Amino acid sequence: GAGVSQSPSNKVTEKGKDVELRCDPISGHTALYWYRQSLGQGLEFLIYFQGNSAPDKSGLPSDRFSAERTGGSVSTLTIQRTQQEDSAVYLCASSFQAGSGANVLTFGAGSRLTVL
Amino acid sequence: AQKVTQAQTEISVVEKEDVTLDCVYETRDTTYYLFWYKQPPSGELVFLIRRNSFDEQNEISGRYSWNFQKSTSSFNFTITASQVVDSAVYFCALSEAASGTYKYIFGTGTRLKVLA
Repeated sequence: GAGVSQSPSNKVTEKGKDVELRCDPISGHTALYWYRQSLGQGLEFLIYFQGNSAPDKSGLPSDRFSAERTGGSVSTLTIQRTQQEDSAVYLCASSFQAGSGANVLTFGAGSRLTVL
Repeated sequence: AQKVTQAQTEISVVEKEDVTLDCVYETRDTTYYLFWYKQPPSGELVFLIRRNSFDEQNEISGRYSWNFQKSTSSFNFTITASQVVDSAVYFCALSEAASGTYKYIFGTGTRLKVLA
């Protein structure tokens, strides 16, 4: 697509429920990143994909968080047994390739998650 | 370790004033990249500029200018003759070429309010 697409744009869920957030990167972008932006905070790195593999999962806050990417394209971030502290905007970004740190990230509009 | 500090949480200026957003970074690498992104109220981060560690030339793009000083580990952003449309949150980010982690570390952002 023309840009990075994320869905849903807004999700309200009850504590303890599972949620899935989807990211559709720009066609041809091999690198994909998930970040979390909490109210008044910066962007917290969660996970990075190169193709379908995730060389760096170090930012995932707990084992309730997982992510996968299929076909080198769409990625899904899953949060199990959601907690109120999971409430945030989850941002996805993609770039042509990783490996040098020079690549410009293109961001989606984000998925705002509210856990009641 | 990588770190980006944006000490200014929020700045308010009156339209047509000049404003400088500060960014201080920490890295052990000799090769790294610095970025500025703008996050307007719509939420989608927009890329503004990328600088590599070997290029300390200042850059000007219209009303925007960037001052990169390795001696003080700073990469400051100046908006000249600010306009209401400049109101947004601005993020400074750092990536390291050799770390292999491919993380882009973001500061906590500076919210700029330009008042008419």
